[in-house]
Amino acid sequence: GQQVMQIPQYQHVQEGEDFTTYCNSSTTLSNIQWYKQRPGGHPVFLIQLVKSGEVKKQKRLTFQFGEAKKNSSLHITATQTTDVGTYFCAGLSGGSNYKLTFGKGTLLTVNP
Amino acid sequence: DTEVTQTPKHLVMGMTNKKSLKCEQHMGHRAMYWYKQKAKKPPELMFVYSYEKLSINESVPSRFSPECPNSSLLNLHLHALQPEDSALYLCASSQDGGLSFYGYTFGSGTRLTVV
Repeated sequence: GQQVMQIPQYQHVQEGEDFTTYCNSSTTLSNIQWYKQRPGGHPVFLIQLVKSGEVKKQKRLTFQFGEAKKNSSLHITATQTTDVGTYFCAGLSGGSNYKLTFGKGTLLTVNP
Repeated sequence: DTEVTQTPKHLVMGMTNKKSLKCEQHMGHRAMYWYKQKAKKPPELMFVYSYEKLSINESVPSRFSPECPNSSLLNLHLHALQPEDSALYLCASSQDGGLSFYGYTFGSGTRLTVV
């Protein structure tokens, strides 16, 4: 079945530094979604990428979808303490429109 | 209303108990999901309901029984659980599957402890 690999597993940065997390899929993805989960919280939808080579920005966050639609990245510029949490990528799998498979996530901690 | 509401927030149950988790959304979403999340792990899909019909069961043990009484409600009935079933149970909904522009909306979850 489809696997979505995500690295790194953990990332600790000083406030103001940049942060990037990467996702790779063994198969071509229909789309990729990104979620953020604060400690003790629940996943919150950030964005969806659908088109090959797509780049979307949300303030300090930049999301990219690879040309082959097998990889994606999330880059945060000048991290803040409010960015702390686990960032998950997720893609549809098994030819199903409903089977969203999550990567293992990257836990970001920010030292003020 | 842009929320998914889950009750209870916390639940402690014995291995012989029967309990139910409840989930409600009023966003008109036609797909609803149950996910299980262990500490420091990603959410794992358990069940999918599409237009009130069970469309995916990810080989979940029969001690977990989902129910969708109507388009706004989703229940998860629990019976004879094991301690390893202790986890955060997340309900989610989406407009229509995983290609929804607005993604999945997750509830805050039920933290279940089986003793």
